[in-house]
Amino acid sequence: QVHLQESGPGLVKPSETLSLTCTVSGGSISSYYWSWIRQSPGKGLEWIGFFYHSGGTNYNPSLESRVTISIDTSKNHCSLNLNSVTAADTAVYYCASGGSGYHHPFTSWGQGILVTVSS
Amino acid sequence: DIQMTQSPSSLSASVGDRVTITCRASQTINNYLNWYQQHPGKAPKLLIFTASSLQSGVPSRFSGSGSGTDFTLTISSLQPEDFATYYCQQSYSTPRTFGQGTKLELK
Repeated sequence: QVHLQESGPGLVKPSETLSLTCTVSGGSISSYYWSWIRQSPGKGLEWIGFFYHSGGTNYNPSLESRVTISIDTSKNHCSLNLNSVTAADTAVYYCASGGSGYHHPFTSWGQGILVTVSS
Repeated sequence: DIQMTQSPSSLSASVGDRVTITCRASQTINNYLNWYQQHPGKAPKLLIFTASSLQSGVPSRFSGSGSGTDFTLTISSLQPEDFATYYCQQSYSTPRTFGQGTKLELK
């Protein structure tokens, strides 16, 4: 089972870009699907999107115009960029993976990183 | 989007009780239904995948059933560490969606 660790700034100003990195160990970033999921304080879970091993992406339509997920195979990283953020984007952000099949569950999760959007 | 609706939203129970949580999808998702457990301040943990398959390392007191649109998670005999919030999630199509959660509390 892979180990995932999110990193990035914990505070982002409104209208700026939220950028997070997920470092993968114990497995190859070139395999599997890599998702980002967020959870607003006291709220439920929202899937942001995934990057998959053939090089494609799939995003939640609610965020699609603002989000980019990519991987860096040389660093075994998966990255999330979310632009034009507002207070509504304040949440704990998780990276998650779950195998190479389309219908995969999320078997591995990072510990999560709290990102606050505030001036 | 496929809407996932869990019931109840909260549940009070005692150690040793048998509890059942239900999850309904707004359209058929075959058996692509997963269950997660989340403790406060922690990441969700996969318990059950494809409706009824127990994830490795998860105690056998957890079980899942269902197909199509209606699913259940059952805990046969509650242990102290089971008091947490439980989420269902469909992996049939994108966007992936989660239920709103069921908070299991100690009575």
